[in-house]
Amino acid sequence: DTGVSQDPRHKITKRGQNVTFRCDPISEHNRLYWYRQTLGQGPEFLTYFQNEAQLEKSRLLSDRFSAERPKGSFSTLEIQRTEQGDSAMYLCASSASTGRRLEAFFGQGTRLTVV
Amino acid sequence: GENVEQHPSTLSVQEGDSAVIKCTYSDSASNYFPWYKQELGKRPQLIIDIRSNVGEKKDQRIAVTLNKTAKHFSLHITETQPEDSAVYFCAAPWGFGNEKLTFGTGTRLTIIP
Repeated sequence: DTGVSQDPRHKITKRGQNVTFRCDPISEHNRLYWYRQTLGQGPEFLTYFQNEAQLEKSRLLSDRFSAERPKGSFSTLEIQRTEQGDSAMYLCASSASTGRRLEAFFGQGTRLTVV
Repeated sequence: GENVEQHPSTLSVQEGDSAVIKCTYSDSASNYFPWYKQELGKRPQLIIDIRSNVGEKKDQRIAVTLNKTAKHFSLHITETQPEDSAVYFCAAPWGFGNEKLTFGTGTRLTIIP
């Protein structure tokens, strides 16, 4: 499968615990995005990387959230001290920076449930 | 940022009929408008997009139209089939390089056999 892959697919955690998600983008894509989707809503932008540089963070991304893309390939999204309001689907997407650079392709997502 | 509104929120059509979903956007600098289809429990899948230099684009049974003056764009699905049942999201880009997408709230399309 040469699409965007995310791991794990599902995560159940207790409130206050830390969780980390991984995203592997399409190999030739140097742009990587994290979105959050709650039930009945469209995805909401969280943050964006071009290669290893994190270029923008949404105001939705509190200090408890941190994202990295250390070598410009895979990315991780960590949530510290999880809260019930963090329960959502976390989607990763990637796109190219040249050519058809605006087309973003999504992974299957990681569904987080905070209990 | 960008503000995207999508209507209707739910739509039921008889199999074989056409379905139309409409979106409006606020940022006149937006120049790319994708549509995503999301089946239950699956990833949003890009099904068609349009750039601001054209007014219409077709791909088999789906088409998208764009009116830049009015800042709205629409998805048209003809000869609907049961597998078209899904949630459809429109989106518009924002930001310096137009990389980030703001999504509409989605339309749940149900095709009645």
